[in-house]
This record gives sequence, structure tokens and C-alpha cells, in this order.
Amino acid sequence: SYVLTQPPSVSVAPGQTARITCGGNKIGSKSVHWYQQKPGQAPVVVVYDDSDRPSGIPERFSGSNSGNTATLTISRVDAGDEADYYCQVWDSSSDHYVFGTGTKVTVL
Amino acid sequence: EVQLVESGGGLVKPGGSLRLSCAASGFTFSGYSINWVRQAPGKGLEWVSSISSTGTYIYYADSVKGRFTISRDNAKNSLYLQMNSLRAEDTAVYYCAREGRQLVLDYWGQGTLVTVSS
Repeated sequence: SYVLTQPPSVSVAPGQTARITCGGNKIGSKSVHWYQQKPGQAPVVVVYDDSDRPSGIPERFSGSNSGNTATLTISRVDAGDEADYYCQVWDSSSDHYVFGTGTKVTVL
Repeated sequence: EVQLVESGGGLVKPGGSLRLSCAASGFTFSGYSINWVRQAPGKGLEWVSSISSTGTYIYYADSVKGRFTISRDNAKNSLYLQMNSLRAEDTAVYYCAREGRQLVLDYWGQGTLVTVSS
């Protein structure tokens, strides 16, 4: 089965840039989506189709995808960005959605 | 405004059954695939099942295949998950989520908690 691997945690100072990676075999050939989940809340899409942003999501959130790694970048991080972040793809070989292992972003 | 509201969660004994519902509003329900995604306490997201707009295509995670059944009633704008032979490891918050373009889950409900315990 297809596996997506994320770092368990990322710590960043306010105003700095957080980068969250999502590793998967030839993930660059897939469409990657990123979700933000705050405690007690449902996930929210912050980036879809590798690098597009839904309306209402700040431009500080951006994404890229190439080779075996997709990356979510959060610029000018603030306390409100503290959350868990998950990447997700559709694995057509198994007809399964696959979520990454999740990354907890802590703002120092 | 798109809304998805789950219900039906609760405490059930191992081996028991439960039926979850998801009521949709604010969009043309019959035009979208809908999914169930769960999250065990303190754990990550796990996709459970997907059903296409007309119910023609149905997919399950290996962990629930043969025990869970997804269905929908487009006339009632509702999605269901029949869960049988429940196990302790099925304990989780269950979310329904709409599938948008490029297979992104663009809208989620607030979830319903299922606890499997004796």
C-alpha cells in the first residue's frame, strides 16, 4: 500500500518560515492536498492540487511537489498556525485515499 | 453554506453494531462523492470509505472491508455508515467529508465519536 511519511513535529519562531515535508514514492506524479487541524476541530484544506489555495486561506500557505517529496510552506508563521498538518493523495493503484502521518507545528 | 452533520455515534460493546448518518445541506448532494474518515484518540487521520455520487462506485479501507457498509440516499441528502463486528480499534471520531475537484476533501463535518468498549 502507498505510504506518506511526514516529520512528527516542526518548531518555528514567530515570523519565520515552516516547511513540512510529505514523502512518498513518485509523489510528484500525484495530486497532493494539505489539511490543517486544530485541537477539537475538523480538518480544513489549506492547499489542494499541490499548490492551489482555497478562498480564505492566506497567501502565506504555499505548496510544491516534485519527485518523491511534497512540501507545505508556511511563511511569516504566527501563533494561529499552531496545528496538526496532514498531506493526502488518492492512490489509484488501490483506489484508496491515503493520509500522511501528520506533523505537529509548534510556534515557539 | 455547505454543511455536513454527523450523528449516530456512541458507546457500543465489542462485536456490536452501529449506524452513522451524515446529513448534507447547502450543495447538490447527488452531484458529489462523499467519504468517511476517522481519527482515533490522539492519532492521525485514517480514510475509511468512499461512495460515488450515484452509489455506483464504493471503496473501503482494508481495515474495515467486510465489516462496514457505506450507502447514501440522495433523496434525503444523507450518507450512512453501517458498522458491524466492531472492535476496540474502531474507536474514533468519524467524519464525513465531501470530495471536490482533484479528489480533495473540501468540506468536513464536525464528527461523531464512536467508542467500542466493554
